Amino acid sequence: EAGVAQSPRYKIIEKRQSVAFWCNPISGHATLYWYQQILGQGPKLLIQFQNNGVVDDSQLPKDRFSAERLKGVDSTLKIQPAKLEDSAVYLCASSAQENYGYTFGSGTRLTVV
Amino acid sequence: QQPVQSPQAVILREGEDAVINCSSSKALYSVHWYRQKHGEAPVFLMILLKGGEQKGHEKISASFNEKKQQSSLYLTASQLSYSGTYFCGAYSGNTPLVFGKGTRLSVIA
Repeated sequence: EAGVAQSPRYKIIEKRQSVAFWCNPISGHATLYWYQQILGQGPKLLIQFQNNGVVDDSQLPKDRFSAERLKGVDSTLKIQPAKLEDSAVYLCASSAQENYGYTFGSGTRLTVV
Repeated sequence: QQPVQSPQAVILREGEDAVINCSSSKALYSVHWYRQKHGEAPVFLMILLKGGEQKGHEKISASFNEKKQQSSLYLTASQLSYSGTYFCGAYSGNTPLVFGKGTRLSVIA
């Protein structure tokens, strides 16, 4: 089966600019996650979707980050405006159900300068 | 709360064994284990549900002690391909998976 698709792979932007990331999960996977991974650390959850509804966004910095999953399939994560500390790899993952193994995409490496 | 992994890093020679531990301060419903190679996405290894089960994946196995809220990952007869960072993910049933900081494993010839 096809894996989790993410784009772009790399993005360099200046602080205060905006950026958007796209994710297409494995077909049929109802649960989709966005994680932020700072170099040398474990992935940190930003938001979890179940179909097109938000299950958990408690750690999403809502003043600058937003995410949507229209039609319960692909998803976009946006940062506006970006800060230097947003430099990280943004990983999208999906699972058939909550507490099933996650399949991660290749991630988007964001550098804010 | 983030589970605590130990050790932070370990270096092995091919054929040696290693144990990576993961402990949580919260009651756990399950523990996930993932391996991430440099510059790549984490890859799912296995999930252990409460009940103290032990699972295996090639020469990599794991156990889960729900009373102690701990899980251990066992790597036997390590191979060069085992190198990477291993993350445990703690699932408490009412919050999404929380990952530990990772254990960097380096296997040398």
